[in-house]
Amino acid sequence: DTGVSQDPRHKITKRGQNVTFRCDPISEHNRLYWYRQTLGQGPEFLTYFQNEAQLEKSRLLSDRFSAERPKGSFSTLEIQRTEQGDSAMYLCASSQGTGGNTEAFFGQGTRLTVV
Amino acid sequence: AQKVTQAQTEISVVEKEDVTLDCVYETRDTTYYLFWYKQPPSGELVFLIRRNSFDEQNEISGRYSWNFQKSTSSFNFTITASQVVDSAVYFCALRGGATNKLIFGTGTLLAVQP
Repeated sequence: DTGVSQDPRHKITKRGQNVTFRCDPISEHNRLYWYRQTLGQGPEFLTYFQNEAQLEKSRLLSDRFSAERPKGSFSTLEIQRTEQGDSAMYLCASSQGTGGNTEAFFGQGTRLTVV
Repeated sequence: AQKVTQAQTEISVVEKEDVTLDCVYETRDTTYYLFWYKQPPSGELVFLIRRNSFDEQNEISGRYSWNFQKSTSSFNFTITASQVVDSAVYFCALRGGATNKLIFGTGTLLAVQP
């Protein structure tokens, strides 16, 4: 399978704990995106990488959130001191190219539940 | 500001009926891109189509067709002869020419009854 892969698929954590999610994009895709989706809403943009450079961050990405893509391949999203409001589906997507005329392909997401 | 509005929260049809999902967008960019994604119960967003702002040609792909009208800022999606497998949440999305982020609508839940 050569699609976008996310791990884990589900995560339950206690409030205050740190969590880390991993995303493996489609091979050779230079762009990688993180989105968050809450129930009944469309995905909301969190951040975007081109290769290893983080080029855009949403104001939704508070100081407790950090994302990395150290070698321009896989990416991690860490949430520190989780809060109940962090409960959501975290989606990763990737695309190829440098212009806007491309589409992003999404993974199946990591569902986070903070209890 | 950029915005996507999908006014239809839920639509229920009987198999073989045609159904149109509405999408209205707002942007000040002269170059922008519009998308439709399907999200089945499994959760993965499946890419359906991308249109560029400078290409208003309608497109047909099998039972799917898209009507892009810049004059009304709309990008509607029609499924002809709907099937139960079409049941999903459908999202319309917009990307401005100067950004790489997608702005999604709130989605339309389509339920196709047998």
